[in-house]
Amino acid sequence: DIQMTQSPSSVSASVGDRVTITCRASLGVGSWLAWYQQKPGKAPSLLIYAASSLQSGVPSRFSGSGSGTDFTLTISSLQPEDFATYYCQQANSPLIFGGGTKVEMK
Amino acid sequence: QVTLKESGPVLVKPTETLTLTCSVSGFSLTDLRMGVSWIRQPPGKALEWLAHIFWNGEKSHSTSLKSRLTISKDASRSQVVLTMTNMDPVDTATYYCARIKDTTMVLDYWGQGTLVTVSS
Repeated sequence: DIQMTQSPSSVSASVGDRVTITCRASLGVGSWLAWYQQKPGKAPSLLIYAASSLQSGVPSRFSGSGSGTDFTLTISSLQPEDFATYYCQQANSPLIFGGGTKVEMK
Repeated sequence: QVTLKESGPVLVKPTETLTLTCSVSGFSLTDLRMGVSWIRQPPGKALEWLAHIFWNGEKSHSTSLKSRLTISKDASRSQVVLTMTNMDPVDTATYYCARIKDTTMVLDYWGQGTLVTVSS
């Protein structure tokens, strides 16, 4: 199976900061990549699909880029409600999630 | 309005079989391109995809758990059932079901999840 590696595993940031999270696939997945946000005690919610397409209703401060093996999720200006854990997911079957990146308050 | 809701036991004993049901509304299990996935998350750990089943009956299972998993659907009842055999304490997790489209293979609507504890 393809392995998905996220980095960093955690990041400390302040409101207004630009935050970048990376996800690397062990084999090329084209643009078959999604990003999710998960807050404590809640189910994940879809942010980005097809590597760079913003899910309906998701704020435009979230953006995704990349293709093949290297992908990035960027939050352009961190808001208080963005402190959460973020997961990438390769979208070829079998689905594989990354290990998660926790965005914490500095 | 799309909703999914998981139901099943909160506690199972080691070696028992777990049966979870996902009840969906707002879409049909026979709608073109639609499906339901099961995903789990041990406490404090990452998400792990388990299986999915699509509108046409196509199924796929986690490679590492394939021998223990069975997924099925009853479209007339709008339910998807996951069974996992030979439960072990390491299978303690929150189990989620989510809607998936075979055109994008992403999980766009999720249930609230149900915590299953495996203990004697």
